[in-house]
Amino acid sequence: KAGVTQTPRYLIKTRGQQVTLSCSPISGHRSVSWYQQTPGQGLQFLFEYFSETQRNKGNFPGRFSGRQFSNSRSEMNVSTLELGDSALYLCASRHTRDYGRELFFGEGSRLTVL
Amino acid sequence: SQQGEEDPQALSIQEGENATMNCSYKTSINNLQWYRQNSGRGLVHLILIRSNEREKHSGRLRVTLDTSKKSSSLLITASRAADTASYFCATSSGNTPLVFGKGTRLSVIA
Repeated sequence: KAGVTQTPRYLIKTRGQQVTLSCSPISGHRSVSWYQQTPGQGLQFLFEYFSETQRNKGNFPGRFSGRQFSNSRSEMNVSTLELGDSALYLCASRHTRDYGRELFFGEGSRLTVL
Repeated sequence: SQQGEEDPQALSIQEGENATMNCSYKTSINNLQWYRQNSGRGLVHLILIRSNEREKHSGRLRVTLDTSKKSSSLLITASRAADTASYFCATSSGNTPLVFGKGTRLSVIA
């Protein structure tokens, strides 16, 4: 099976712009989670989707949003980018809605905001 | 907020030595997982230990869990240069997403 695929891998944006990141989970996995990783804060949970429904949302401003499509692919969007949004954005999938099961991560999308 | 906190933040050892990393957490858990991350890449799941287990092995990995102390340790035996990476613990509690610690950076010097 192919692993979790994230695109793009690297991108550079300027303050005020918006960005959309894409994630294709492992085939058959219906749960997709997004995490933001920065050197200072570590891995912070953004949101999780299961069967097109957002199940949980982390403590991030409304500029961060996401969605999941019927084929389980997910996108996250960040509007009005700020310098502090520079981070590695990680997508992870699992085949079950059980939060206790292991996550399978993609390679991440590294966003730099100038 | 972080649930797990790893200790030490960074560890440097010689190839062939054992590496021990610790994780402390604050609330009751269903299970605790360890992940590995090579520089700037995605995380890879290593091992999961349930709250009713005390020790688990997988190859050169040994994980212990002490729920009374709310702590876990990851031991990597006979370390190799390829083990150089960051290691994260993650806790699962009920119907909440996995919460990750800030990780231990392990450097294995050949």
